[in-house]
Amino acid sequence: QVQLVESGGGVVQPGRSLSLSCAASGFTFRTYAMQWVRQAPGKGLEWVAHVSFDGSNKYYADSVKGRVTISRDNSENTLYLQMNSLRRDDTAIYYCAREIGGGDYAFDIWGQGTTVTVSS
Amino acid sequence: DIQMTQSPSSLSASVGDRVTITCRASQDISSYLNWYQQKPGKAPNLLIYSASSLQSGVPSRFSGSGSGTDFTLTISGLQPDDFATYYCQQGYSTPMYTFGQGTKLEIK
Repeated sequence: QVQLVESGGGVVQPGRSLSLSCAASGFTFRTYAMQWVRQAPGKGLEWVAHVSFDGSNKYYADSVKGRVTISRDNSENTLYLQMNSLRRDDTAIYYCAREIGGGDYAFDIWGQGTTVTVSS
Repeated sequence: DIQMTQSPSSLSASVGDRVTITCRASQDISSYLNWYQQKPGKAPNLLIYSASSLQSGVPSRFSGSGSGTDFTLTISGLQPDDFATYYCQQGYSTPMYTFGQGTKLEIK
């Protein structure tokens, strides 16, 4: 079935780095744009980053720009998020999500999320 | 940046009620407005895209309307499974997306 599975979350000290992965299955990954969306504890949803279907275009929220890099490996059906210089306010559940495509800019498939806790 | 404001922030209703949640954009976003449902401990689930298109598998009691800056999500005949938090999201400034702050729907 169509599925996204995140991994790589954990507890990390402020200023350190962490890399998240999102494994896709059940659909033609290379034809879809992908995103990372996060949710701080008890808070709402925040879009973090976008990568185009072929990885050629990348966009970031101002809150993470310069500290985060989104990438993808279409041969491995995997999406990545490299996070550097982590701050306490980066603590959140991180979801990967598929963009529905066809000119409709919605996210139709979500992973279960991976939790990142930034704490000393 | 486009700001999305939902109202109310929380809402109490009973099974069988008709409920409306509103989302307002800080500028004209045409029909690039989507709605999600999120239950505790779960990922969001797409309900409505492009303001009024029902996502496959979503019950027909959910409907969306609006264009420009003002949008509504209506649930006709609340079911116990519908008590959750609802978010709107604009797709106009693709791919720099923004979500509303959420509306928590609770059982009265």
